[in-house]
Amino acid sequence: AQTVTQSQPEMSVQEAETVTLSCTYDTSESDYYLFWYKQPPSRQMILVIRQEAYKQQNATENRFSVNFQKAAKSFSLKISDSQLGDAAMYFCAYRRRFGNEKLTFGTGTRLTIIP
Amino acid sequence: DAGVIQSPRHEVTEMGQEVTLRCKPISGHNSLFWYRQTMMRGLELLIYFNNNVPIDDSGMPEDRFSAKMPNASFSTLKIQPSEPRDSAVYFCASSRVDGALPPQHFGDGTRLSIL
Repeated sequence: AQTVTQSQPEMSVQEAETVTLSCTYDTSESDYYLFWYKQPPSRQMILVIRQEAYKQQNATENRFSVNFQKAAKSFSLKISDSQLGDAAMYFCAYRRRFGNEKLTFGTGTRLTIIP
Repeated sequence: DAGVIQSPRHEVTEMGQEVTLRCKPISGHNSLFWYRQTMMRGLELLIYFNNNVPIDDSGMPEDRFSAKMPNASFSTLKIQPSEPRDSAVYFCASSRVDGALPPQHFGDGTRLSIL
């Protein structure tokens, strides 16, 4: 079974600074997808960024980028120029590419932005 | 475009009562997922449908839980009888499997409190 581990229950960062959230996963599959979802206090689940395991290039979406290390099974999220609106729970998630489409989530990291 | 629509947004009921949660997926999406979020267990898949057919219901806790998808635009998750340990946020999500990477789009969730 696939597992996703987020070892940082809480993180904080000064506004405008850069922060990195960690995620590791375990799978026997070679082809899969990885995601970061953001959950603000409104409890919406918002897709932040996604990575296909067969792509070597790290995904980037504006201020958000990932460091995908397939051999190490690591998938960290970097937020640059942190803004107050980035404060939220961040969940790392895994999905097989073929077959069962379910998402397996980590336990989340609560990110606080310090003004 | 309308997103995934869940109702009700909040539900408070007494133990033993029947609870029905509803979900309308995004039009054109052919996969639908029910997730449950609790402090103890995080986000976990309960069941998912593809083309209205249940594919994976291994996360359904017990016989008190049932889910249906009578057509492509509607699904229900029913708990009967409800128990205090069922208190959680229940999310519905949908996606369209068309060869490209399909992100799952989440509804706003139903916060369920069983007294």
